[in-house]
Amino acid sequence: ELKVEQNPLFLSMQEGKNYTIYCNYSTTSDRLYWYRQDPGKSLESLFVLLSNGAVKQEGRLMASLDTKARLSTLHITAAVHDLSATYFCAVLAFTSGTYKYIFGTGTRLKVLA
Amino acid sequence: DVKVTQSSRYLVKRTGEKVFLECVQDMDHENMFWYRQDPGLGLRLIYFSYDVKMKEKGDIPEGYSVSREKKERFSLILESASTNQTSMYLCASSLETVSYEQYFGPGTRLTVT
Repeated sequence: ELKVEQNPLFLSMQEGKNYTIYCNYSTTSDRLYWYRQDPGKSLESLFVLLSNGAVKQEGRLMASLDTKARLSTLHITAAVHDLSATYFCAVLAFTSGTYKYIFGTGTRLKVLA
Repeated sequence: DVKVTQSSRYLVKRTGEKVFLECVQDMDHENMFWYRQDPGLGLRLIYFSYDVKMKEKGDIPEGYSVSREKKERFSLILESASTNQTSMYLCASSLETVSYEQYFGPGTRLTVT
């Protein structure tokens, strides 16, 4: 069964602190995506990681991909309240003769002032 | 900017009704997707389409059908709505190349009573 697991599922952190969200997946894939979802809103693309060792950074967020370990991380540096949201990772997997995006269950992040 | 729109933000229907959810994208994307999002389950793929008049079942197609008569429009149909179909429904689109990220619509929160 194809699985994408994120941990933690919930994260409450103080402003100014650093933390990492982990995304493990069970299938071979070198395509990984990170999305952000604000409460009551839809998903917004953050990062697209297309190869082993890929690293992308935008502001206080940095994402990386290790395809051998089947692991992606989303690192938060010096968190601010505006980063409070739910973060999803997704992998692109070839299954049943076609490509599908498989999503993790999401990590709900709350940054406390 | 890519724009994906959905016909309704909120919808309340009765058990047994036929329900139509419409999705339109304005960037000539080949691929379109329907997901449902439920707490603790992440996003689950219902159906997707790689071209006009083409459709593929996702992970949870039971109780749903789709229609794609024009490239920009992808409709999700609940043939006979049931209470367990109460959920948030998200439409997404992406370019043909599988490496590209998905762009999501604002979502339709459907309640079946």
